[in-house]
Amino acid sequence: KNEVEQSPQNLTAQEGEFITINCSYSVGISALHWLQQHPGGGIVSLFMLSSGKKKHGRLIATINIQEKHSSLHITASHPRDSAVYICAVRSRNSGNTPLVFGKGTRLSVIA
Amino acid sequence: DSGVTQTPKHLITATGQRVTLRCSPRSGDLSVYWYQQSLDQGLQFLIQYYNGEERAKGNILERFSAQQFPDLHSELNLSSLELGDSALYFCASSVGAFADTQYFGPGTRLTVL
Repeated sequence: KNEVEQSPQNLTAQEGEFITINCSYSVGISALHWLQQHPGGGIVSLFMLSSGKKKHGRLIATINIQEKHSSLHITASHPRDSAVYICAVRSRNSGNTPLVFGKGTRLSVIA
Repeated sequence: DSGVTQTPKHLITATGQRVTLRCSPRSGDLSVYWYQQSLDQGLQFLIQYYNGEERAKGNILERFSAQQFPDLHSELNLSSLELGDSALYFCASSVGAFADTQYFGPGTRLTVL
């Protein structure tokens, strides 16, 4: 079982829909990251969370530390949001633990 | 544009060969991370350098090595290449030594024939 599980694996939405992507993890963490990978391959860091909620434009990320779960929401989705969204966690173990990545959620937004 | 540069963009080579991938971090960033992304594995952490010294190591093969130079650019050396090494190799940088926000380069696509 992977330390980081994402759901769904693939998601197709109509333009304007509200989208939720989920991430569950099995270890205690110090931080959780959401990344966006564009069709061309480039990766952009969207959020880094250790508690609560963060918002940037139409994107909202939440985390529930007790339930070991995070969600990424996209409001008023647009075709340009089509990308792979990747969740990554940093373990709370001592030392320099690297990021562990989920396999990603492929989102397609249709006009 | 993240400010992280990687060269080359594409690399096609044969099995058994050796290649070097280069990464220049954002100005002011002291940490450099290397990641491998293959179709079936997703993103995998390889190695991290901070201010010239190795900081953390992931599942990096013995055939692979890396270093960070005094000007903070980094190189990833891949030798005795195998078909399975074909992947996208990303470099990322961050200000600090730990996993704060990382800025990713555009990646190098390596194809081993």
